[in-house]
Amino acid sequence: VHLLESGGGLVQPGGSLRLSCASSEFSLSDHYMDWVRQAPGKGLEWVGRTRNKANSYTTEYAASVKGRFIISRDDSENSLYLQMNSLKTEDTAIYYCAKVWGSYYDYWGQGTLVTVSS
Amino acid sequence: DIQMTQSPSSVSASVGDRVTITCRASQGISIWLAWYQQKPGRAPKLLIYAATSLQSGVPSRFSGSGSGTDFTLTISGLQPEDLATYYCQQANSFPLTFGGGTKVEIK
Repeated sequence: VHLLESGGGLVQPGGSLRLSCASSEFSLSDHYMDWVRQAPGKGLEWVGRTRNKANSYTTEYAASVKGRFIISRDDSENSLYLQMNSLKTEDTAIYYCAKVWGSYYDYWGQGTLVTVSS
Repeated sequence: DIQMTQSPSSVSASVGDRVTITCRASQGISIWLAWYQQKPGRAPKLLIYAATSLQSGVPSRFSGSGSGTDFTLTISGLQPEDLATYYCQQANSFPLTFGGGTKVEIK
């Protein structure tokens, strides 16, 4: 397993959750990394990007999550995080972390399910 | 935002058939396009990048063509293991966007 997500679960609307993505195969600091989500039975939606250490870990976000979600990293843990705040029912999805290769995704995690419901 | 429109939304074909999936971008994206295969319960897998380049390890029956706004994924000789949903993705500009998906079923 190249990428492994964790941290998903059931959370109430308005709540927070932090997802993690770790790798035992890659030094994540060398790579751009994205989060992509998939609502149940639906298509893929890009959530956000963190660039690599050489590019100061700058970030980009989808409009639907900007101001609510934050992507961060911990190099000592070789991990990537997605802090999700002010969660809405429409944030219910499987969340994947994906390694960016050029402009595309060559490795994906297995995904972690986030359910926002009262 | 660049909208990606895939057609058809589903296709049923027999083993050995040629299957063609199209993807249209709402504005020109040069060759900044990828195709992914997603099998049920699995993460997506990169098949084609830069519109026409076959990812390492992907069978040669998969091919991509196109540039600008119109792109095609072709499966030449459908196999049972090709049962999946296929997505296009543009990498030209943020926000990155995906097509709605094409579900390929085996008759």
